[in-house]
Amino acid sequence: QKEVEQNSGPLSVPEGAIASLNCTYSDRGSQSFFWYRQYSGKSPELIMFIYSNGDKEDGRFTAQLNKASQYVSLLIRDSQPSDSATYLCAVNAISYQLTFGKGTKLSVIP
Amino acid sequence: NAGVTQTPKFQVLKTGQSMTLQCAQDMNHNSMYWYRQDPGMGLRLIYYSASEGTTDKGEVPNGYNVSRLNKREFSLRLESAAPSQTSVYFCASGSEQYFGPGTRLTVT
Repeated sequence: QKEVEQNSGPLSVPEGAIASLNCTYSDRGSQSFFWYRQYSGKSPELIMFIYSNGDKEDGRFTAQLNKASQYVSLLIRDSQPSDSATYLCAVNAISYQLTFGKGTKLSVIP
Repeated sequence: NAGVTQTPKFQVLKTGQSMTLQCAQDMNHNSMYWYRQDPGMGLRLIYYSASEGTTDKGEVPNGYNVSRLNKREFSLRLESAAPSQTSVYFCASGSEQYFGPGTRLTVT
């Protein structure tokens, strides 16, 4: 069973702080890693994807991948109340299929 | 450029009724997917289509059928709805999986 684990939260951070969201996965053969944001009652929205070990930055978001330790993380700098949402980690372990974690709920406190 | 569209947005069915959920994408993606999302269970893959003309089962295919009508359209059919199929259904397309707005289905 290929698993993707996330802390369900809620993770509360003050406005302007860095939010750190973590995800671990079980399949060492995983190749692609994705982060989605989902507001309550809405569909998941792709934020970033990462394929290689290291960091990938896009605006206030940084994805970090460590394949040896089987974890991927998402950092959100200068967190805003509008970042309050559930963040889903997804891993491509089987061709064409993503396995999703259950998500971490982030709350940014003004 | 509408991205991924789904119809209907909401639906209430009685047990045993059938219905088809429609999905279309205008991003020229080869792959398309159907997920259901339930509280505490996360997103679970029902069926996917790697390319036009092919479909494959995902994690939870029982009670569902799919049709990849053409490159743009991928439909999900419930032949005999059950209360356990009450859920939010999302269609997605592309290897990065861009999601449609979802269909909220209640089976009574």
